[in-house]
Amino acid sequence: EVQLVESGGGLVQPGGSQRLSCAASGFTFSTYWMSWVRQAPGKGLEWVANINPAGSTKNYVDSVKGRFTISRDNAKNSLYLQMNSLRVEDTAVYYCTREYWGFGDYWGLGTLVTVSS
Amino acid sequence: EIVLTQSPATLSLSPGERATLSCRASQSVSSYLAWYQQKPGQAPRLLIYDASNRATGIPARFSGSGSGTDFTLTISSLEPEDFALYYCQQRSNWRTFGQGTKVETK
Repeated sequence: EVQLVESGGGLVQPGGSQRLSCAASGFTFSTYWMSWVRQAPGKGLEWVANINPAGSTKNYVDSVKGRFTISRDNAKNSLYLQMNSLRVEDTAVYYCTREYWGFGDYWGLGTLVTVSS
Repeated sequence: EIVLTQSPATLSLSPGERATLSCRASQSVSSYLAWYQQKPGQAPRLLIYDASNRATGIPARFSGSGSGTDFTLTISSLEPEDFALYYCQQRSNWRTFGQGTKVETK
């Protein structure tokens, strides 16, 4: 059974940093593109970043370029999102998702990041 | 950026009725479009990918159609568990979502 479990969310001050993790199981992690998608409270979905199986290609939505870094450790079946220079508008539930030809076929339950002073 | 516009914003129907949801792209996305269902407090669930292919385990009452800029998700006969929020998403140019259509009980 495919499982994705996010962790690392919490309350952080504007300008601060947070690192999210996603533990994957039930599939061959090293062969899939992986992504982070976020959802601000009461709002729609936004695809934040993705990374290829080898970790050599990374893409970001414009609003997080230069501030967020996606990475992975295939030996640990884990996906990460390092978030720096956080803004109030980054407040959201962050979902880890496995990509299937550019679509998210499996999703974690999400982890809430709240950016507030 | 490709903008996806979903209509209507809210669809009020009764169980057993047919639901027709629309998603229009600001430029052609070929068939690179998916539909998701999301219930309160839950993650999105992939229903349809590449415009018309049902994802694993999705009931046959869900169907998708369209190509280019106009797409439709049809639920042939609404079950109680189908009342939820639905999003379309394109993968032609990066990945963007529509703003969602809420299917609510009439």
